[in-house]
Amino acid sequence: GQQLNQSPQSMFIQEGEDVSMNCTSSSIFNTWLWYKQEPGEGPVLLIALYKAGELTSNGRLTAQFGITRKDSFLNISASIPSDVGIYFCAGLYGGYQKVTFGTGTKLQVIP
Amino acid sequence: EAQVTQNPRYLITVTGKKLTVTCSQNMNHEYMSWYRQDPGLGLRQIYYSMNVEVTDKGDVPEGYKVSRKEKRNFPLILESPSPNQTSLYFCASSSRTGTDTQYFGPGTRLTVL
Repeated sequence: GQQLNQSPQSMFIQEGEDVSMNCTSSSIFNTWLWYKQEPGEGPVLLIALYKAGELTSNGRLTAQFGITRKDSFLNISASIPSDVGIYFCAGLYGGYQKVTFGTGTKLQVIP
Repeated sequence: EAQVTQNPRYLITVTGKKLTVTCSQNMNHEYMSWYRQDPGLGLRQIYYSMNVEVTDKGDVPEGYKVSRKEKRNFPLILESPSPNQTSLYFCASSSRTGTDTQYFGPGTRLTVL
């Protein structure tokens, strides 16, 4: 399968700080997705990106589809305690049928 | 309420004892998928299904079987479980392919002794 490198693996930040995380691959993806997973729950989709260069926001979250189609980043502005969780990137390939997930970024917010 | 349900939520079993994890969605979704989640590895796709009677392998299909006889159900079958299949399993569904919002089930934590 395809490989996605997600970084950082974990982050401890102060409430109010901005956060940035990214995913890179040696392979091209058709679509990039960003998910958040809270303890004991399944992942929930935050943002979907469909075109190279696309920049999309969802409240305090902003994500971009890299122009090479091999990377994507997610920014969270003015973090709050409920942002705590594990954030996953995911790339679609194989005619949009196959999904590869990154290894996750665990975010801890210190009030 | 739109949801994906999985059963059981927790299962401890022994090597070689066949088991089935059920997955059901009430959203009339065509696309369904199974993932396993392991520490440090994220989620890895096991199998997916584009519609009834249409299934295909994901990245880690070895040791698993699936079937899609009805649109709403997508069971995951472990014919002869082994300890390396100890993991957290998620079922997901979406109206089309993975580009649409995938709704994930609550997860099944499986331990194979």
